[in-house]
Amino acid sequence: GDSVTQMEGPVTLSEEAFLTINCTYTATGYPSLFWYVQYPGEGLQLLLKATKADDKGSNKGFEATYRKETTSFHLEKGSVQVSDSAVYFCALSATGFQKLVFGTGTRLLVSP
Amino acid sequence: NAGVTQTPKFQVLKTGQSMTLQCAQDMNHEYMSWYRQDPGMGLRLIHYSVGAGITDQGEVPNGYNVSRSTTEDFPLRLLSAAPSQTSVYFCASTQGPGPAYEQYFGPGTRLTVT
Repeated sequence: GDSVTQMEGPVTLSEEAFLTINCTYTATGYPSLFWYVQYPGEGLQLLLKATKADDKGSNKGFEATYRKETTSFHLEKGSVQVSDSAVYFCALSATGFQKLVFGTGTRLLVSP
Repeated sequence: NAGVTQTPKFQVLKTGQSMTLQCAQDMNHEYMSWYRQDPGMGLRLIHYSVGAGITDQGEVPNGYNVSRSTTEDFPLRLLSAAPSQTSVYFCASTQGPGPAYEQYFGPGTRLTVT
């Protein structure tokens, strides 16, 4: 079945460091790919998405490119802030947007 | 516009008790879902609905019932709680089925079954 694999955390960075969180997927067909962010005590919020190969999603300085050849959708940010501390989930939808398949989440901790 | 609301925020149940987790949205979304979030497992789909009167099972439906009598509400019922149902539960809604439509998540209900 469809699945998403994320790097385990926590990822600990200093403010202004470069961030990469790896995400790879297995799916039939051509899934849409998403990154969600969960701040402490809150629900998930959509951070960015890409719906076809080579699409780049971007939002709030975060970027991820849909790489069909490597089945990857790695999240990057050039300079993280303390306010970026959260849990980040990679997800895919291959059988309809209603049925999201999530990775296990990666906790990011950014220190001043 | 409150978005997706969930009640209660926290709940402790004893094994065998029943309860209903409430979920409501005020965005007139047709599609609603319930997920559970467990450590090391991400979110897993329990049940979903594509409109009033229509529900279907997700990945982990056992032990849970749902109904959708109105567009706004999508309650999740635990008929006989078990410790394995200790989890954080999220309700979500979206306007349409395709990736062009964002899913909006509620703040979650943290359930502990002893």
